[in-house]
Amino acid sequence: NAGVTQTPKFQVLKTGQSMTLQCAQDMNHNSMYWYRQDPGMGLRLIYYSASEGTTDKGEVPNGYNVSRLNKREFSLRLESAAPSQTSVYFCASRIAGHYEQYFGPGTRLTVT
Amino acid sequence: GESVGLHLPTLSVQEGDNSIINCAYSNSASDYFIWYKQESGKGPQFIIDIRSNMDKRQGQRVTVLLNKTVKHLSLQIAATQPGDSAVYFCAERLHGSSNTGKLIFGQGTTLQVKP
Repeated sequence: NAGVTQTPKFQVLKTGQSMTLQCAQDMNHNSMYWYRQDPGMGLRLIYYSASEGTTDKGEVPNGYNVSRLNKREFSLRLESAAPSQTSVYFCASRIAGHYEQYFGPGTRLTVT
Repeated sequence: GESVGLHLPTLSVQEGDNSIINCAYSNSASDYFIWYKQESGKGPQFIIDIRSNMDKRQGQRVTVLLNKTVKHLSLQIAATQPGDSAVYFCAERLHGSSNTGKLIFGQGTTLQVKP
């Protein structure tokens, strides 16, 4: 049972490049979330998927898209990366009826 | 040692002392609160939670206190150890968001434990 896994761990992009961050959970959780964490700040919600087949915007969705591929996987795509998207990205999941979210180890993204 | 909400982001305590980390939450309609610990280079880890119909909840070496009157949450760590050094986040869940499970996170407090 690996919990929540994220790939890659580190990534450097040039402005304008695109990439997809992958997230998978093996806990049979219903809901999944993408956050970004900037220095000195808490976690800000980018997008979430309350259940398989649904996705919704969070607090800071601009510049991102998501896909809930199946119950296990939830990917985050940057179509045209910008330096303002330099951040650490965390994926989390939650089982229905419970409130705590379980987090992955994060992806550190730098956009130059 | 004690931190004062979001305005004092670093708390330094001596090993063996008790730590108190404070959090001022934003919405009186929040009905669930949770504390996370984040070690350097890792994702946040669940520590303890509390529902709004409770004032206090205890775990192993940790206690969470909730004061709804002043919208204040605190995390007490007994006999602080070097392994407790981390950033601690509080998060709140707005009433009515049980389906989405969305949490609103605070800025975080860095706890430094001096040997």
